[in-house]
Amino acid sequence: GEEVAQTPKHLVRGEGQKAKLYCAPIKGHSYVFWYQQVLKNEFKFLISFQNENVFDETGMPKERFSAKCLPNSPCSLEIQATKLEDSAVYFCASSQPGQVNYGYTFGSGTRLTVV
Amino acid sequence: AQSVTQLDSHVSVSEGTPVLLRCNYSSSYSPSLFWYVQHPNKGLQLLLKYTSAATLVKGINGFEAEFKKSETSFHLTKPSAHMSDAAEYFCVVSVFYSSASKIIFGSGTRLSIRP
Repeated sequence: GEEVAQTPKHLVRGEGQKAKLYCAPIKGHSYVFWYQQVLKNEFKFLISFQNENVFDETGMPKERFSAKCLPNSPCSLEIQATKLEDSAVYFCASSQPGQVNYGYTFGSGTRLTVV
Repeated sequence: AQSVTQLDSHVSVSEGTPVLLRCNYSSSYSPSLFWYVQHPNKGLQLLLKYTSAATLVKGINGFEAEFKKSETSFHLTKPSAHMSDAAEYFCVVSVFYSSASKIIFGSGTRLSIRP
């Protein structure tokens, strides 16, 4: 499809529970990015993929966060043992090869609330 | 190093008057620049993009932006504001090189429209 599909739209987890977020990039887009919007005006880069390979993971908190992009499956971002500070909106974006000329299409985000 | 500075955290204009949202960037590479809009509790929508073609870029909903290399600026303008333009606007620079890729967000400008 022509949109980046993120599911679920909202997710509520008790502290310590696992959370798993999904992102289906636009067909033909080989780059996928995950961003965390904690404060309204602050986007933190988490990780990017080129197809199923990790391209840049410099933003990932390694202890509890993991991500995958497997062939023929939505990409996923998993948080083990969630903490209150993980509450945020998580955005996924995808881009075509030669991305600098095409821009990024963002999904509508998953709002994670940890209680 | 790459960075994006949005010079105004909040801009308020009257309906029907021009809009100017300011953005300055710093980049060691030839940048690709974008403006995104985020309505309350919604995802990010691409307004327009500059990718080293024409310096004056036209986007959706009557917005346009001019890339000025000498001033390292990429200001967003609209001749006549509409109530539906009220939202948060983000200037974004894209950095893509062999070992990493990043989308760097500005801090955002909240646009309010007075009736």
